[in-house]
Amino acid sequence: EVQLVESGGGLVQSGGSLRLSCAASGFTFSTSAMHWVRQAPGKGLEWVSSVSGSGSSTYYADSVKGRFTISRDNSKYTLYLQMNSLRVEDTAVYYCAKRPTVTGNWFDPWGQGTLVTVSS
Amino acid sequence: QSVLTQPPSVSGAPGQRVTISCTGTSSNIGAGYDVHWYQQLPGTAPKVLIYGNSNRPSGVPDRFSGSKSATSASLAITGLQAEDEAHYYCQSYDNSLNWIFGGGTRLTVL
Repeated sequence: EVQLVESGGGLVQSGGSLRLSCAASGFTFSTSAMHWVRQAPGKGLEWVSSVSGSGSSTYYADSVKGRFTISRDNSKYTLYLQMNSLRVEDTAVYYCAKRPTVTGNWFDPWGQGTLVTVSS
Repeated sequence: QSVLTQPPSVSGAPGQRVTISCTGTSSNIGAGYDVHWYQQLPGTAPKVLIYGNSNRPSGVPDRFSGSKSATSASLAITGLQAEDEAHYYCQSYDNSLNWIFGGGTRLTVL
């Protein structure tokens, strides 16, 4: 069974940094592209960032480009999101999700999420 | 403002049929990219309901169906049940913005 477990969320001041982790199991991690998607309190879903299976290709939403860095350690089956220069509007539940097939552009499955709160 | 447009809310009585629309542009749905649908129950992570416009993952009841045409897509739910009360999101891909979502639709079962 595929499992994704996020961790690393918490309360941080505006301008601060945080690193999220997503521990994966139940599939061959190095062959799967991975994503981060966030959801602000009471709001909809927003794609944040993606990384290829090898880690060589990365993609970012304009709202986080230059501030967030996605990476992965395939030997540890772990996905990361380094978040710098955090803003109040980055407050959200952050989910990691798997690309289900080589060409599929949807997200499946999702982790349970980790809450990031940025205070002013 | 989301790139894909969904109605904020829909409602229906148990047993009825409801549809949720998802409207895009020539840069995403109209460019030929597939549409996917997610169900998010209160306090839980989203779960894929429909992928590739009209495909149901195993375990998803056939009461849920999806379709796509031109620059829009629809999710239909027949035989509405109380447990269907949730938020529903459409998702696709955009030539400029990469992965995109609709703003979400809250389904209320009356």
